Amino acid sequence: EVQLVESGGALVQPGGSLRLSCAASGFIFNTFTMNWVRQAPGKGLEWVSHIHSSGTPIYYKDSVRGRFVISRDNAKNSLYLQMNSLRAEDTAVYYCARSSGNYGGSEFDYWGRGTLVTVSS
Amino acid sequence: DIQMTQSPATLSASVGDRVTITCRASQSINSWLAWYQQKPGKAPKLLIYKASHLQSGVPSRFSGSGSGTEFTLTISSLQPDDFAAYHCQQYDSYFSTFGQGTKLEIK
Repeated sequence: EVQLVESGGALVQPGGSLRLSCAASGFIFNTFTMNWVRQAPGKGLEWVSHIHSSGTPIYYKDSVRGRFVISRDNAKNSLYLQMNSLRAEDTAVYYCARSSGNYGGSEFDYWGRGTLVTVSS
Repeated sequence: DIQMTQSPATLSASVGDRVTITCRASQSINSWLAWYQQKPGKAPKLLIYKASHLQSGVPSRFSGSGSGTEFTLTISSLQPDDFAAYHCQQYDSYFSTFGQGTKLEIK
């Protein structure tokens, strides 16, 4: 059974940093592109970043490029999101999601349950 | 970025009704569109991919259609379990975008 379990969400002050993790199981992790998607309270879904199965290429939404860094450790079946210079507008539930395909754009066929990041003083 | 406009924002319906949700893209995305269902406090669940392909395990009362810039999700006969939020997603490029979501509520 495919499982994605996020962790690392917390309350952090504006300008602070946080590292999210996603532990994957039930599939061959190093053959799938992975994504982070977020959802602000009461809002729609917003794609944040994408990393190919091999670690490159990597893509970011404009509003997080230069502040967030996505990475993966295929030996540990884990996906990460290092978030720096956090802003109030980054407040959201962050989901780890698997792309069904490994090239080009793709639908997301499995999602974790999310981890809440709150940016507030 | 490709903008996705989803309508309506809220839809009130009854069990047994046929409902349709629309998603419009700001430019052609061919058939690179997915639909998701999301219940409160839960992760989204993939229903439809490539505009009209039903994800494994999803009931056949769900269907998708469209191509280019206009797409629809139809639920042929609403069941109690279907009252939830629905989101469309374009993935014509690596920079995926979602619609604002539609909340389907009980009339």
